Amino acid sequence: NAGVTQTPKFRVLKTGQSMTLLCAQDMNHEYMYWYRQDPGMGLRLIHYSVGEGTTAKGEVPDGYNVSRLKKQNFLLGLESAAPSQTSVYFCASSPGRGHSTDTQYFGPGTRLTVL
Amino acid sequence: GESVGLHLPTLSVQEGDNSIINCAYSNSASDYFIWYKQESGKGPQFIIDIRSNMDKRQGQRVTVLLNKTVKHLSLQIAATQPGDSAVYFCAENFNNAGNMLTFGGGTRLMVKP
Repeated sequence: NAGVTQTPKFRVLKTGQSMTLLCAQDMNHEYMYWYRQDPGMGLRLIHYSVGEGTTAKGEVPDGYNVSRLKKQNFLLGLESAAPSQTSVYFCASSPGRGHSTDTQYFGPGTRLTVL
Repeated sequence: GESVGLHLPTLSVQEGDNSIINCAYSNSASDYFIWYKQESGKGPQFIIDIRSNMDKRQGQRVTVLLNKTVKHLSLQIAATQPGDSAVYFCAENFNNAGNMLTFGGGTRLMVKP
């Protein structure tokens, strides 16, 4: 049971390039989330999903897109990267409504630098 | 590893002492609270949670206290160890559709040997 995994661990992009971050979970969780973490800012929610085929905007969605084609995967896309998107990105998952816990479990993070 | 937060409030304690980390939450409708620990270069790790119908919950060496009157949450760590050095975040959930959490800014705990 690997929990929540993220690929890649590190990436450097040039302004305007695109990329996709992959998150996978093997806990059969319904809900998945993408956060960014900047120094002194804590964690901010970008997008989330409450089930396969569904996505919704979080606190800071601009410049990002997401897809949840399979229950176990949640993809975060940057179509045209900007230096303001330099950050550490974390994926999380939680069991979903009706379960005994609302806890979110986090992946190890992806450090993205946009030059 | 990366720096989680360059301007975080810092709590420095001696190894073996007890630590108390405080958090003020924002939404009086929040009904679920979590404490996370984040070590340098790693993702947040679940420590302990508490629902709003409780005011205290204990785990192994950790206790969470909830004061809904003043919207205050605290994490107590007994017999603090060097391995407890990390950034600690509180998070609140107000029963929203996506179980979304709102995170506090974090506190850095430094344990002196």
